[in-house]
Amino acid sequence: AQSVTQPDIHITVSEGASLELRCNYSYGATPYLFWYVQSPGQGLQLLLKYFSGDTLVQGIKGFEAEFKRSQSSFNLRKPSVHWSDAAEYFCAVGADSSYKLIFGSGTRLLVRP
Amino acid sequence: GAVVSQHPSRVICKSGTSVKIECRSLDFQATTMFWYRQFPKQSLMLMATSNEGSKATYEQGVEKDKFLINHASLTLSTLTVTSAHPEDSSFYICSAPLAGVTSTDTQYFGPGTRLTVL
Repeated sequence: AQSVTQPDIHITVSEGASLELRCNYSYGATPYLFWYVQSPGQGLQLLLKYFSGDTLVQGIKGFEAEFKRSQSSFNLRKPSVHWSDAAEYFCAVGADSSYKLIFGSGTRLLVRP
Repeated sequence: GAVVSQHPSRVICKSGTSVKIECRSLDFQATTMFWYRQFPKQSLMLMATSNEGSKATYEQGVEKDKFLINHASLTLSTLTVTSAHPEDSSFYICSAPLAGVTSTDTQYFGPGTRLTVL
């Protein structure tokens, strides 16, 4: 069965510091991989996605993620965090074209001034 | 971008009552919508797939008689929590992909509905 693991429940970084949020997945074939951000009162917003091709994908708000098949990982990175990046981040895998998404447990990002 | 709304954003009800939550796609049509449930500090769990004009498809372990889904039009799906109990308290989120698109990246999420059952 497909599954997604986000090992870090919460992470605190200083504003301006770099960020990496971890995501590991379990799926037999090449999955569709996503990162979403959830802010209070807002719906989940898609940051970036990977379907195929270049394993380093660029997203919105300066985020990027790298698909590493050998490690079954899809970690999210940002070189310099802004206070407005504080939110809950979810990694998700889409198993097929039916739109069904399986979400990780989320990582809450706190940003120190 | 496309917008999905949910109403109400927050609801408190007494145990044993039923609660209806609406999910609307505001500027696009959605033949399919999804309902998720999110417990505090936990992930989103897919509950069911709402299909316009046909019965909803429920995920394993989700009681279809407990969580009634009606996809009345191409822009509206409703989730009714029947005979709600405190354990039904949760954050309910809907999502809708753009109709006619096969890729999985065009899914838009509503802001969620916080249900508290006393």
